[in-house]
Amino acid sequence: QVQLQESGPGLMKPSETLSLSCTVSGDSISGFWSWIRQPPGKGLEWIGQIHETGVTSYTPSLKSRVTMSIDTSKNQFSLKLTSMAAEDTAIYFCARHRGYLFDPWGQGTLVTVSP
Amino acid sequence: SALTQPRSVSGSPGQSVTISCTGTSSDVAGHNYVSWFQHHPGKAPKLMIYDVTKRPSGVPDRFSGSKSGNTASLTISGLQAEDEADYYCCSYAGSSTYVFGTGTTVTVL
Repeated sequence: QVQLQESGPGLMKPSETLSLSCTVSGDSISGFWSWIRQPPGKGLEWIGQIHETGVTSYTPSLKSRVTMSIDTSKNQFSLKLTSMAAEDTAIYFCARHRGYLFDPWGQGTLVTVSP
Repeated sequence: SALTQPRSVSGSPGQSVTISCTGTSSDVAGHNYVSWFQHHPGKAPKLMIYDVTKRPSGVPDRFSGSKSGNTASLTISGLQAEDEADYYCCSYAGSSTYVFGTGTTVTVL
């Protein structure tokens, strides 16, 4: 079965660029893949998606700061988010995107932005 | 903008609870692509319902989904202790974008 595992820096300073990777195991990295985040005590927020061909779609509120990429040879896809601020502190999840649903998800990785 | 869910709902074991998810004509009302996720903090969210009413394999039939206009609903019948969790709705919002709900905490009394 497909499993996803996020990896990232954990702690960052304001204005830095976040780089996260999601490694897919149990299947090839075909189709669509998404990033979703959850700030502490708040709800989920869809960040964007990427297709195996590299075609992307981002949520409008983050579009100017987000870049997603995919490396099919490594079965990985990645998220870059520039100009990190305290409000970007969140658990970041990656998920497989099939049809109009997200399944499965990774366990998530906490990214904290602090001076 | 996030879909609106009640902050919390509660029920006794065996009872039924319903969680609403209110959106707009651009998301919930405009597409039959509403999904629901169960989230125990610290774990990966789990898909419970997709395409408004469909249940993935392995999800108990106590969980059901519906939609009327701009409001989707998740009903948990025969509430069990293990159903205590946070629940989120999600809707396709057009132009290859998605929007999640604000989340609802289900408490089993």
